[in-house]
Amino acid sequence: NAGVTQTPKFQVLKTGQSMTLQCAQDMNHEYMSWYRQDPGMGLRLIHYSVGAGITDQGEVPNGYNVSRSTTEDFPLRLLSAAPSQTSVYFCASKETNSPLHFGNGTRLTVT
Amino acid sequence: LAKTTQPISMDSYEGQEVNITCSHNNIATNDYITWYQQFPSQGPRFIIQGYKTKVTNEVASLFIPADRKSSTLSLPRVSLSDTAVYYCLVGDFLNYGGSQGNLIFGKGTKLSVKP
Repeated sequence: NAGVTQTPKFQVLKTGQSMTLQCAQDMNHEYMSWYRQDPGMGLRLIHYSVGAGITDQGEVPNGYNVSRSTTEDFPLRLLSAAPSQTSVYFCASKETNSPLHFGNGTRLTVT
Repeated sequence: LAKTTQPISMDSYEGQEVNITCSHNNIATNDYITWYQQFPSQGPRFIIQGYKTKVTNEVASLFIPADRKSSTLSLPRVSLSDTAVYYCLVGDFLNYGGSQGNLIFGKGTKLSVKP
């Protein structure tokens, strides 16, 4: 039981490049979400999903796309990376009446 | 959506009790209060959750007054290893369909424990 697994751990992109941050959970949780964390800003919700085929926007969705084709996976796509997207990204999952389980994050730098 | 407000930082010494308060004035009837701890380079991890009055587990206590507009995380006899950022999260954890899935964190409280 690995919990929430995020890959890669580190990534450097150039402005305009695209990439996908991967998130997988093996707990059969229906709910999954993505947060970004910047110094002094806490955790800000990007997108979330309450089940396969269902996604919704959080606080800061612009510049990011998500899809949820399976219960296990919730990838986050940056179509055209910008320096403002330099951040640490955390994926989380939960089941009804349970707390959020977080991955260990992906540190992204956009130059 | 219940927004939360916490102190940005707190200092303490080893062995002291630390109380961190979170304000959530527009908490909804179905909302629970959950606290998380985050160490550098790690994801947040669950500490404690409550709905009203007092909850205690092996690491912390959570005090919630009758009006539920605030909550206090109490860490007894802190050690250096309790140095971390603590987040309060308010949301409907029994359901997460629709807007209940919009789980918004505050900016957290950075606790520094000194020897």
